[in-house]
Amino acid sequence: GAVVSQHPSWVICKSGTSVKIECRSLDFQATTMFWYRQFPKQSLMLMATSNEGSKATYEQGVEKDKFLINHASLTLSTLTVTSAHPEDSSFYICSAKRDDSYNEQFFGPGTRLTVL
Amino acid sequence: GQNIDQPTEMTATEGAIVQINCTYQTSGFNGLFWYQQHAGEAPTFLSYNVLDGLEEKGRFSSFLSRSKGYSYLLLKELQMKDSASYLCAVRLLNNAGNMLTFGGGTRLMVKP
Repeated sequence: GAVVSQHPSWVICKSGTSVKIECRSLDFQATTMFWYRQFPKQSLMLMATSNEGSKATYEQGVEKDKFLINHASLTLSTLTVTSAHPEDSSFYICSAKRDDSYNEQFFGPGTRLTVL
Repeated sequence: GQNIDQPTEMTATEGAIVQINCTYQTSGFNGLFWYQQHAGEAPTFLSYNVLDGLEEKGRFSSFLSRSKGYSYLLLKELQMKDSASYLCAVRLLNNAGNMLTFGGGTRLMVKP
C-alpha cells in the first residue's frame, strides 16, 4: 500500500518558538504533497501545495513567511511554523500524490500542534 | 469561488441505510472524492467518481451527476464504527493537477 508518515504526531511549544513538521511518503515517490490545517469540528483547509524542487504554492490568506515549506526530495516535505502563537494551534495534515497515480491522495496521520 | 455543501450532522440507526448528499459549484471539475475521518485521525479514502453514475464498493456506494453538481455517499447496513465525519472533496485543475477542495464534512452518528 501507500503509506505517508508525519513526525511528530503531537507537539506542545511555547509562544514565539518555531516548530517543524515532517511529511514522508514511505513506499512511493511524491513530487507533489499538500499541507492542510483542520480546526476542531471543521473540515480540512488546504494551506499550500508543495512541489519537489520548486517553491510551494500558498492558498489565499496563508502567510508564506510564517509557514515555511521545503520539499527537498521526492519523499519528504517539511512545514515549519515560525514564531508560533496560540491561534496556530491546530491539527496539521499532509497528503502525498503518488507520481504513478492520478486519482488518489494519501494522507498522513496528522500532527496536533498546541502553542501555549 | 468554489462552493461545496454538505449537511453538518446526520443521525442514523445501526443496520439502516443513510445517504449523505454533497452539492458543488466549482470551476474546472475533475472528479469527486469521499473520505471518512474519525475524530483526531487523518481522512481515509472511500470512493472516487469522475463520470456520471453509481460506484459501488461493499457497503459504500457513491453517485455523481455532473450536470447537477451533485453527489451522494450511500452507506448500507450501518455499523457503530461508521460513526465518523464524511468529507466530500472536489478535484480542480490547477498547476499541481490534483488539488482537492473539501466540503465542511458531515458528522454521522450511528445509534444502536
